[in-house]
Amino acid sequence: AQSVTQPDIHITVSEGASLELRCNYSYGATPYLFWYVQSPGQGLQLLLKYFSGDTLVQGIKGFEAEFKRSQSSFNLRKPSVHWSDAAEYFCAVGAGSNDMRFGAGTRLTVKP
Amino acid sequence: SQTIHQWPATLVQPVGSPLSLECTVEGTSNPNLYWYRQAAGRGLQLLFYSVGIGQISSEVPQNLSASRPQDRQFILSSKKLLLSDSGFYLCAWNDLSADTQYFGPGTRLTVL
Repeated sequence: AQSVTQPDIHITVSEGASLELRCNYSYGATPYLFWYVQSPGQGLQLLLKYFSGDTLVQGIKGFEAEFKRSQSSFNLRKPSVHWSDAAEYFCAVGAGSNDMRFGAGTRLTVKP
Repeated sequence: SQTIHQWPATLVQPVGSPLSLECTVEGTSNPNLYWYRQAAGRGLQLLFYSVGIGQISSEVPQNLSASRPQDRQFILSSKKLLLSDSGFYLCAWNDLSADTQYFGPGTRLTVL
């Protein structure tokens, strides 16, 4: 069965510092991979997704993620974090539209 | 463009009372629709999904039910709420052409 692990429950970074949020998945084939962001009390917004092709994916708000098959990872990165990036981030893996699994989320705090 | 609405945004209900949460999607036809629950500090749990009017698949046995009376309407119900039903309920629709789920703003349910 497919599963997603986000090893970091909470991360704190300083504004302007770089960010990397980890995501590891378990799946028998090449999955569809997603990163969503959730601000407090809001729904989830899609940041980026990977289906196939170039393993480095660009998303909105200056985020990118890299698919590494050998490590079963899909880590999210941003070179310079802004205070508005403080939110909860969810990695998800799917084999199709009705078969998505979400990680438990990583809460990002940004220090001024 | 497509939009997804949920109401109410916030709800406080006593234990044992009924529940009805509504989700509607605009700007698309025959979407797949989903209900998720997000408990405090936890990831998303898929509760129900629907691929068409009157077609409901349940992922987790519980005292909740779902219905899809119209193509773009998805309702989550309960006859008697439990304390454990408290949480943040998210509706999502699937863009089948992009194999991607998009989320509504959510409903915060507190059962007292």
